[in-house]
Amino acid sequence: GESVGLHLPTLSVQEGDNSIINCAYSNSASDYFIWYKQESGKGPQFIIDIRSNMDKRQGQRVTVLLNKTVKHLSLQIAATQPGDSAVYFCAERTPRDDYKLSFGAGTTVTVRA
Amino acid sequence: GAVVSQHPSWVICKSGTSVKIECRSLDFQATTMFWYRQFPKQSLMLMATSNEGSKATYEQGVEKDKFLINHASLTLSTLTVTSAHPEDSSFYICSANDRGPRGYTFGSGTRLTVV
Repeated sequence: GESVGLHLPTLSVQEGDNSIINCAYSNSASDYFIWYKQESGKGPQFIIDIRSNMDKRQGQRVTVLLNKTVKHLSLQIAATQPGDSAVYFCAERTPRDDYKLSFGAGTTVTVRA
Repeated sequence: GAVVSQHPSWVICKSGTSVKIECRSLDFQATTMFWYRQFPKQSLMLMATSNEGSKATYEQGVEKDKFLINHASLTLSTLTVTSAHPEDSSFYICSANDRGPRGYTFGSGTRLTVV
């Protein structure tokens, strides 16, 4: 079946720099996308979401961009902090599938001091 | 905000025994809950969708007789791993559809180790 994928498995970032995490999705019927942060041994933590009728959404230090033309999603983290070190997943929701979420492979972000 | 409580957070069991994992929505009613399994350094893989009062819908390749799901109330879904084997050792996570602006709330996960 179709699933969400990620371009890079790992990302090393200097503290204070901006991080960009990418995600490719393949299901054109997906109408809602969410970025999650997962720390070791814990469940996913909501970061930011975006609906398919938008192309950009901003939160506190985070921005999500959606390009439906190329089916691409990105998460930008401004002024990356040590506490941002974690695995980041994008997830897509497809209405026809009981609104279940499909997760991408995940990007491990490591912040260098 | 919406809270999902998952219990136990970790469990060790002997091969051949059964283990039950509970997922509770504490401050909202969840008509739909989802169960995921996550192996080390991998993504969350959806196992099944649990709807209150009806049979769960399992993803392809997931054995419904091995992973029993019960969603008898709007606040509780359980996953029972029957006749557990070492290959069932994994991190199991539940999620509830809270129908709020974020839509989904995740439990904190259960680390299952079968010895």
